[in-house]
Amino acid sequence: GDSVTQMEGPVTLSEEAFLTINCTYTATGYPSLFWYVQYPGEGLQLLLKATKADDKGSNKGFEATYRKETTSFHLEKGSVQVSDSAVYFCALSVTQAGTALIFGKGTTLSVSS
Amino acid sequence: DGGITQSPKYLFRKEGQNVTLSCEQNLNHDAMYWYRQDPGQGLRLIYYSQIVNDFQKGDIAEGYSVSREKKESFPLTVTSAQKNPTAFYLCASTLLGSNQPQHFGDGTRLSIL
Repeated sequence: GDSVTQMEGPVTLSEEAFLTINCTYTATGYPSLFWYVQYPGEGLQLLLKATKADDKGSNKGFEATYRKETTSFHLEKGSVQVSDSAVYFCALSVTQAGTALIFGKGTTLSVSS
Repeated sequence: DGGITQSPKYLFRKEGQNVTLSCEQNLNHDAMYWYRQDPGQGLRLIYYSQIVNDFQKGDIAEGYSVSREKKESFPLTVTSAQKNPTAFYLCASTLLGSNQPQHFGDGTRLSIL
């Protein structure tokens, strides 16, 4: 079945460091791909999305490119801030109306000043 | 502002008791979802509904029930048959159609007394 695999955390970085969180997926059909962020005690917020191969999603300095050939959607940011500390989830949605998202297990990012 | 409201934020259940978690949205979204979040396990789908008076089981529906009498509302009941209900519960909604991101509420944390 469809699945998402994220790199294990926690990821600990110093402020202004470069961030990569790896995400790979298995899916039949042509999924849309998403990154969500969760701050402590809150729900999930959409960070960025990509709907077809080679699309690049971007928001708040974060980027991810939909790579069909490697079935990947890695999240990157050039210079992290303390405020980026959160849990990041990679997710996919197959192209069927109303289908729920399939999530990775989440990666905790901790940024220190 | 449009959004998803979950209540209560914290809930405690006694042995043998059923409890109901509320989820209301004013986004005019067609589909609504309930997820359960446990530490290190990501989000798992409990139930979802694409239309009023219709809903489908997700991956972990046992011990839970839902109703969808109004488009705006999708309450989740955690029954006494759910032996391990302690978790963070998240409600989400989306427009039907491919590539639509899900919007999340702020969650309800359920604990056992």
